[in-house]
Amino acid sequence: GAVVSQHPSWVICKSGTSVKIECRSLDFQATTMFWYRQFPKQSLMLMATSNEGSKATYEQGVEKDKFLINHASLTLSTLTVTSAHPEDSSFYICSARGPTGIGDNVQFFGPGTRLTVL
Amino acid sequence: QKEVEQNSGPLSVPEGAIASLNCTYSDRGSQSFFWYRQYSGKSPELIMFIYSNGDKEDGRFTAQLNKASQYVSLLIRDSQPSDSATYLCAGRAKGGKLIFGQGTELSVKP
Repeated sequence: GAVVSQHPSWVICKSGTSVKIECRSLDFQATTMFWYRQFPKQSLMLMATSNEGSKATYEQGVEKDKFLINHASLTLSTLTVTSAHPEDSSFYICSARGPTGIGDNVQFFGPGTRLTVL
Repeated sequence: QKEVEQNSGPLSVPEGAIASLNCTYSDRGSQSFFWYRQYSGKSPELIMFIYSNGDKEDGRFTAQLNKASQYVSLLIRDSQPSDSATYLCAGRAKGGKLIFGQGTELSVKP
């Protein structure tokens, strides 16, 4: 149980285009999902908290107009990187707060999406 | 001061030995702590969580929490080469967010 999927697993795009990444909780409902970004040899950086049916909460320094988050259902959150540039190339990972009963709402991570912007 | 701090390593131990990974945190309000393992190029996977003072054991893994000292540790007994990875310590913050340390790279030598 508590499986999270992400799609696509990798994507290469041209500078200036937009890329959408999907995050799904497969066997549980997730009212809260989180989006992280990780650069090589660095730890995870939380970008935003996504709550079903409401606006996402962005961390300081993260441009909400550039990183659009939609959490339209209890099993799906999407992150759209708009007008992507080479400096947006990174490993994007989502997590979902697990179902109650597992323990203090543990976060389970998706497999990640590697974005390369040419 | 970072909210969650870990020694970045690398920590190298021989196969079969005990690996000890340490983490300190600055927010006394944090009640829950998590250890994740991350293999190179992969996303983190949960090893254990702990929110009570003392020890919590799960197979070869033991998590220890000392809230007075603001210290969390993870012991890996009978370390295997497959345990070689980066270990991330995280504390739960307001709103359910996780604050991650920078991770400790562990290398288990055959």
